[in-house]
Amino acid sequence: QQKVQQSPESLIVPEGGMASLNCTSSDRNVDYFWWYRQHSGKSPKMLMSIFSNGEKEEGRFTVHLNKASLHTSLHIRDSQPSDSALYLCAASIGNNNRIFFGDGTQLVVKP
Amino acid sequence: AQTIHQWPVAEIKAVGSPLSLGCTIKGKSSPNLYWYWQATGGTLQQLFYSITVGQVESVVQLNLSASRPKDDQFILSTEKLLLSHSGFYLCAWSTDFYAEQFFGPGTRLTVL
Repeated sequence: QQKVQQSPESLIVPEGGMASLNCTSSDRNVDYFWWYRQHSGKSPKMLMSIFSNGEKEEGRFTVHLNKASLHTSLHIRDSQPSDSALYLCAASIGNNNRIFFGDGTQLVVKP
Repeated sequence: AQTIHQWPVAEIKAVGSPLSLGCTIKGKSSPNLYWYWQATGGTLQQLFYSITVGQVESVVQLNLSASRPKDDQFILSTEKLLLSHSGFYLCAWSTDFYAEQFFGPGTRLTVL
């Protein structure tokens, strides 16, 4: 069973709209989440990380974490066409230097 | 500023042939180093990590091996390539495990 699940698989939002992406771990030993963005043919770049319950905001990006449900979400407001990319959720599970990635959410922002 | 370089940029290799991919980090001493593999349309998978010279931990068994001969160098290799080895290989570094990982530009491998 995959340890990190992301939804939806793909998402289309209009320019200026809000994109909401979800990520859940199936393992209670998860202790840290990261969100990465990967443009087509490029390497991933980190957007944000979170390990405490609550919310963290950086510019147009907001991340939420609910540790009880092992769920994190990424929200992008005022989405731009340049935000179109694969968004990857990663989790640290078990405090053993291992990181697990989800399959990603493909975001398309339509002008 | 730190830079990460991977070589080669792309490779086309025959099944059964050997492979060596390299990664160099400049401007950062004693980084944590990681190898990842991403099959086309597939999930990014951590393969190896290293926190110090000479020590490498395997995460996923894919008939690959890794070595860290110098503080700033990470090598991924195999003696016999399989078709299933095709994909995008990424090297990354971080200051510690929970810090941001910085990925290299990647090596695209095609095994025929």
